[in-house]
Amino acid sequence: EIVLTQSPATLSLSPGERATLACRASQSVSSSLAWYQQKPGQAPRLLIYDASNRATGIPARFSGSGSGTDFTLTISSLEPEDFAVYYCQQRSSLFTFGPGTKVDIK
Amino acid sequence: EVQLVESGGGLVQPGGSLRLSCAVSAISVSNNYMTWVRQAPGKGLEWISVIYRGGGTYYADSVKGRFTISRDNSKNTVYLQMNNLRVEDTSVYYCASWGAWGQGTLVTVSS
Repeated sequence: EIVLTQSPATLSLSPGERATLACRASQSVSSSLAWYQQKPGQAPRLLIYDASNRATGIPARFSGSGSGTDFTLTISSLEPEDFAVYYCQQRSSLFTFGPGTKVDIK
Repeated sequence: EVQLVESGGGLVQPGGSLRLSCAVSAISVSNNYMTWVRQAPGKGLEWISVIYRGGGTYYADSVKGRFTISRDNSKNTVYLQMNNLRVEDTSVYYCASWGAWGQGTLVTVSS
């Protein structure tokens, strides 16, 4: 089973600041990694697929990078609606989610 | 636009059974992998099952032997049969495919 770890668990930032979220896999997942955003009471929303491709309708301030075991989600300048929980997910070998990073308002 | 609509959740006693449905539009369940993911109250996302295009099925260890995923191509619907439910199965259950998610259905296991 591929285990995903995310860091930090919580990121406290102000609107306009840059957010950098990390996801590490216990073994290589190539580029088969996605990032999701989830707000309370809502289903997850796909942001990034295949490590670096923005999903339809996702603003350009969201970007993904990495391959193999180390991945990063960057939000270039936080908007008020970006404060949420972010999950990474691999689909290289079945499916696994990371534990999430909560981005909250400082 | 891909749409997934789950149904079938509710309150069930420990040891009981439920069958969840996921009605899909805009993509064919027979030509795409379909997954079930759950989220316990206040917790993270947990993948629990997948059915692949070729019909292969896989499960997380936490539900293996108790849950069964299936599909009805004529109805373009995916199912999750859940048997021998436990208190710890209490969660919102989502179906998902290629980044599209349903709104979820709540399953509560309690006496």
